[in-house]
Amino acid sequence: QKEVEQNSGPLSVPEGAIASLNCTYSDRGSQSFFWYRQYSGKSPELIMSIYSNGDKEDGRFTAQLNKASQYVSLLIRDSQPSDSATYLCAVSVSSNTGKLIFGQGTTLQVKP
Amino acid sequence: EAGVTQFPSHSVIEKGQTVTLRCDPISGHDNLYWYRRVMGKEIKFLLHFVKESKQDESGMPNNRFLAERTGGTYSTLKVQPAELEDSGVYFCASSQGQGSYNEQFFGPGTRLTVL
Repeated sequence: QKEVEQNSGPLSVPEGAIASLNCTYSDRGSQSFFWYRQYSGKSPELIMSIYSNGDKEDGRFTAQLNKASQYVSLLIRDSQPSDSATYLCAVSVSSNTGKLIFGQGTTLQVKP
Repeated sequence: EAGVTQFPSHSVIEKGQTVTLRCDPISGHDNLYWYRRVMGKEIKFLLHFVKESKQDESGMPNNRFLAERTGGTYSTLKVQPAELEDSGVYFCASSQGQGSYNEQFFGPGTRLTVL
């Protein structure tokens, strides 16, 4: 079992729809959770961080965390073609180093 | 404010040669991380510096990899001698604080191809 799992996709949604990206993790000691967006050939760009159970909203993005189910998700409202990218879920287990454990990423395609 | 920069952006070398990758973190960020993504796999942690000290090098694959951060500013990652399986994209990231609750900002990566 991988430490952080994501559906590789591609996930295809029409413009204006809600895109839902999901991630599960295996270590119950995981402390913090991050979503990165990566365009092809570019660096991962941090878009959301979440540390406690519940929802966290930032503009069109909402991160949801459920530690009991070991599940974190990212919702993108009013999806735009410019949102088409690979979304990486990253989890930090160690409180000392903060090293990140990544999933393989989900490719999102937003069709006009 | 300048982001994390990495040099070179691409490197193509032959098996057995040496390559040195460089990372300049965001100014003022004491924490510097190296990660690697090999084709078809997820991004994986290599090591973590706090200033000039190695905090965690548990992800370094073997002793052909040597990372340094003299003076606590920029870092280099040397691969000597390079093998075919070292091909991939090497990312550097930096954060202001240490620990799980500090956001890491990534550089554009160095794409290494070993022939």
